Amino acid sequence: QKEVEQDPGPLSVPEGAIVSLNCTYSNSAFQYFMWYRQYSRKGPELLMYTYSSGNKEDGRFTAQVDKSSKYISLFIRDSQPSDSATYLCAMSAGNDMRFGAGTRLTVKP
Amino acid sequence: DSGVTQTPKHLITATGQRVTLRCSPRSGDLSVYWYQQSLDQGLQFLIQYYNGEERAKGNILERFSAQQFPDLHSELNLSSLELGDSALYFCASSRYEGYEQYFGPGTRLTVT
Repeated sequence: QKEVEQDPGPLSVPEGAIVSLNCTYSNSAFQYFMWYRQYSRKGPELLMYTYSSGNKEDGRFTAQVDKSSKYISLFIRDSQPSDSATYLCAMSAGNDMRFGAGTRLTVKP
Repeated sequence: DSGVTQTPKHLITATGQRVTLRCSPRSGDLSVYWYQQSLDQGLQFLIQYYNGEERAKGNILERFSAQQFPDLHSELNLSSLELGDSALYFCASSRYEGYEQYFGPGTRLTVT
């Protein structure tokens, strides 16, 4: 079992849809959680980061962390074609950081 | 723009050769990370440095080595290159260990 599990997709939604991206993990020591967006052949771009459990909102993006379930989510509201990319979750405990494999999202106009 | 710079952007070389990839972290960041990403593959962690010291190693081949210099820039050396080493190589930096990482634009290495 991988320490971080993320469905690779692909996920295809119509423009304007609410997108839900998820990761599960097994290491209860993880306390810092991040979401990255990666356009094809570009460097991953940090979207959001949260510490411990709870929600964090930034514009159309909401990150949720449920440490009791070892489950994190990223919600994208009013999705746009420009949101089409691969989304990677990441989490860390001290200097041990792990990335999910990424979910490829396509938002169709 | 993340503030992390990588050079060169593209590199084409032959099997058996040696190359050096360079990374300059964001201003004030002490930790540097190197990743390899092959076509349609996830990020593979290679190695991490913190303030000049090696801190963690991932799936880094013995043919690969890295270092972080006193001015905090880092270099990744790849030797005896094989076709399978063709990939995107990303550098990332963070203020301290375990904090959010900021990625550079990557170096695209093609081994022919």
